[in-house]
Amino acid sequence: DAGVIQSPRHEVTEMGQEVTLRCKPISGHNSLFWYRQTMMRGLELLIYFNNNVPIDDSGMPEDRFSAKMPNASFSTLKIQPSEPRDSAVYFCASSVRENEKLFFGSGTQLSVL
Amino acid sequence: DQQVKQNSPSLSVQEGRISILNCDYTNSMFDYFLWYKKYPAEGPTFLISISSIKDKNEDGRFTVFLNKSAKHLSLHIVPSQPGDSAVYFCAASFMDSNYQLIWGAGTKLIIKP
Repeated sequence: DAGVIQSPRHEVTEMGQEVTLRCKPISGHNSLFWYRQTMMRGLELLIYFNNNVPIDDSGMPEDRFSAKMPNASFSTLKIQPSEPRDSAVYFCASSVRENEKLFFGSGTQLSVL
Repeated sequence: DQQVKQNSPSLSVQEGRISILNCDYTNSMFDYFLWYKKYPAEGPTFLISISSIKDKNEDGRFTVFLNKSAKHLSLHIVPSQPGDSAVYFCAASFMDSNYQLIWGAGTKLIIKP
């Protein structure tokens, strides 16, 4: 199994641009999570999907952030417009079901200039 | 308000000796605790977990101890190996919303040869 696959690994963009992060969860996993890691706030849950349905998006910081999961094998996290304070590492993780251990992707290092 | 605290940002241990990583929590309603390990440029990987009904869980060289009265858990690694050098995160969750992990800030463990 290839594990959770995220793309791109690195993204450098200018303030105001749209950024789209992509995630392919492990096949057969029903739960998908988007996390953000910063020095100041550590690991924060942004949104949680179960069976492709968003269950909890209370961690999404602002309306500039949106996430979709059109099918069981793909999810996106979009930031529009991006701001320098969005610079962070964004992780996608999946699990077999809600209360099982998480498998993380390698993350996307986002830099907004 | 940090509900899960890892007060040691880093720890240096001689190879072959015991590594002890500590984690404190403030919310007595947490009932499930996990440790994840993270290498640079990778996502966290699950290491070991413990339910609040237990006070110890062991998996090979890794043992987690839970002291509910002190709201404290620790991860013991015996013997420590160079490959154990990584950042270790403690996380906690509630039984009724166990997808929502509350993460500590992490402790960087360095194993000296």
